[in-house]
Amino acid sequence: AQSVAQPEDQVNVAEGNPLTVKCTYSVSGNPYLFWYVQYPNRGLQFLLKYITGDNLVKGSYGFEAEFNKSQTSFHLKKPSALVSDSALYFCAVREAGGFKTIFGAGTRLFVKA
Amino acid sequence: DSGVTQTPKHLITATGQRVTLRCSPRSGDLSVYWYQQSLDQGLQFLIQYYNGEERAKGNILERFSAQQFPDLHSELNLSSLELGDSALYFCASSARGLGTDTDTQYFGPGTRLTVL
Repeated sequence: AQSVAQPEDQVNVAEGNPLTVKCTYSVSGNPYLFWYVQYPNRGLQFLLKYITGDNLVKGSYGFEAEFNKSQTSFHLKKPSALVSDSALYFCAVREAGGFKTIFGAGTRLFVKA
Repeated sequence: DSGVTQTPKHLITATGQRVTLRCSPRSGDLSVYWYQQSLDQGLQFLIQYYNGEERAKGNILERFSAQQFPDLHSELNLSSLELGDSALYFCASSARGLGTDTDTQYFGPGTRLTVL
């Protein structure tokens, strides 16, 4: 069975500093990996995805994520955090050839000015 | 704006009642997904429809049912409502949604259901 874990409930970072939001996954076959962001009282917005190819994936709003097959991780990163990045971030995984996308519990990012 | 619309935005009802949530996917998308987001359970996948047919089932209660109509809009029916059904219900759509594709899901703004 596939699963995804976001080990941190909350990440705190100062504005201008780099940020990392962690995600690890478990699937039987090849993974499709996604990051979404949710602002208060809004739906989830797609940030980026890894399907195949380059392990470093670039997405919206300056975010990027690195796929690491040996560590089964797909951490979300941004070189310089903004206060407006404060939101709830979800990692999701779907097994290639499968139908269900499983979401992590979410990590709340708080960027302090 | 993702292009996915959901109505109503808010719904307040009583225990034991039945409600219907509606979702219109992005233009051209064939698949619709329903999710439940609650504080204690996180984001839970309920069910997926592809071009009118049920494609995948997640943690959907027997009191809940869904369908996708020929015009591709979808409805989620929740019956015999309990206090614990209070949550945000999201609809998402993707272009295809078959096992072999890599389509992104785009989420609607959600319906907040409050059961009193």
